[in-house]
Amino acid sequence: AQTVTQSQPEMSVQEAETVTLSCTYDTSENNYYLFWYKQPPSRQMILVIRQEAYKQQNATENRFSVNFQKAAKSFSLKISDSQLGDTAMYFCAFMKWDGNKLVFGAGTILRVKS
Amino acid sequence: KAGVTQTPRYLIKTRGQQVTLSCSPISGHRSVSWYQQTPGQGLQFLFEYFSETQRNKGNFPGRFSGRQFSNSRSEMNVSTLELGDSALYLCASSSGLAGRETRYFGPGTRLLVL
Repeated sequence: AQTVTQSQPEMSVQEAETVTLSCTYDTSENNYYLFWYKQPPSRQMILVIRQEAYKQQNATENRFSVNFQKAAKSFSLKISDSQLGDTAMYFCAFMKWDGNKLVFGAGTILRVKS
Repeated sequence: KAGVTQTPRYLIKTRGQQVTLSCSPISGHRSVSWYQQTPGQGLQFLFEYFSETQRNKGNFPGRFSGRQFSNSRSEMNVSTLELGDSALYLCASSSGLAGRETRYFGPGTRLLVL
């Protein structure tokens, strides 16, 4: 079975600064997908970024980028130029290549301060 | 396109009752997944339906069941409610044709069992 671990329950960052959220996972699969989802206070789960394990290049989406280390089974999220609207719970998630279920980590609460 | 809709948004029930939650996916999407979110257990996969067939099921008791209709709308039912069933229930839709596809989440149904 796959497991996803987010070791930082809470983090805070000043507006306009950079923050990195950590995620490690355990799997015996070689091909899989990794995701970061954001859940603001409204509870609407929103996809932030996605990484396919066979791609060595790290995914980026505007101010969001990942550091994917396959051998270390690590998948961290970097948020640059943090904005107040980035305040949310962030979940790291895993899915098998041929799967249809997401396995989530426990989440990291991120607070952006003005 | 309209997003994923879930009804009702809030629900209060008492122990022993049953409840039915509804999820309407994005138009054209044929896959609906259900997740339970609680403070203690986090986000856990319940089941996934594709073209009216259950493709995957999480580790939940038989009191939790679901179905999908020909228009891809899905319902989940919880019978003999227990206090521990209090949770946010999220559904997610996708076309279901490839694992890498983005899953779009609905706003959730918050269930409180008294």
